[in-house]
Amino acid sequence: QKEVEQNSGPLSVPEGAIASLNCTYSDRGSQSFFWYRQYSGKSPELIMSIYSNGDKEDGRFTAQLNKASQYVSLLIRDSQPSDSATYLCAALIQGAQKLVFGQGTRLTINP
Amino acid sequence: DAGVIQSPRHEVTEMGQEVTLRCKPISGHDYLFWYRQTMMRGLELLIYFNNNVPIDDSGMPEDRFSAKMPNASFSTLKIQPSEPRDSAVYFCASSFRELVPFFGQGTRLTVV
Repeated sequence: QKEVEQNSGPLSVPEGAIASLNCTYSDRGSQSFFWYRQYSGKSPELIMSIYSNGDKEDGRFTAQLNKASQYVSLLIRDSQPSDSATYLCAALIQGAQKLVFGQGTRLTINP
Repeated sequence: DAGVIQSPRHEVTEMGQEVTLRCKPISGHDYLFWYRQTMMRGLELLIYFNNNVPIDDSGMPEDRFSAKMPNASFSTLKIQPSEPRDSAVYFCASSFRELVPFFGQGTRLTVV
């Protein structure tokens, strides 16, 4: 089992709708989780971090964490074509400064 | 700050040749990471350093891969000899203490 798993997509969402991206992790000791966005041919850039159970909102983005279910999600409200990218979920492995990434979900926002 | 700087941006080399990728982390950052990204395997951590010391190299695929960090402002990842399956985008990233890493622009390596 991979340490961090994501549905690779592609996920297609109409402009203005909510895009929902999901991620599960296997290391129950992981405490810190991150969402990176990667445009084609570019490097990953951090968009959200979450450390405790519940929701964390930042503009149009909401990260959700459920440690009991070992589940992390990212919601993008009012999706824009510029949100089209690959979204990478990452978990910080307990006891090590080691960020492990999922395969990424390719998101396309259709105008 | 200029961010994490990697060179070269693109490298095409023949199988069997030595390849050296270079990275300058963000000034003041004490962690440096080398990642490799492929379509099949995604983004994989190869090795990371803390204060110039290698901490975990369990992701280095083979002895053909080696990494060094001679000082706080420079690191290299070397592949010798290179093989076509090493073709990938190699990212360097740096962070300060336990903060999340910032990535460089990557080096796209093609081994023919």
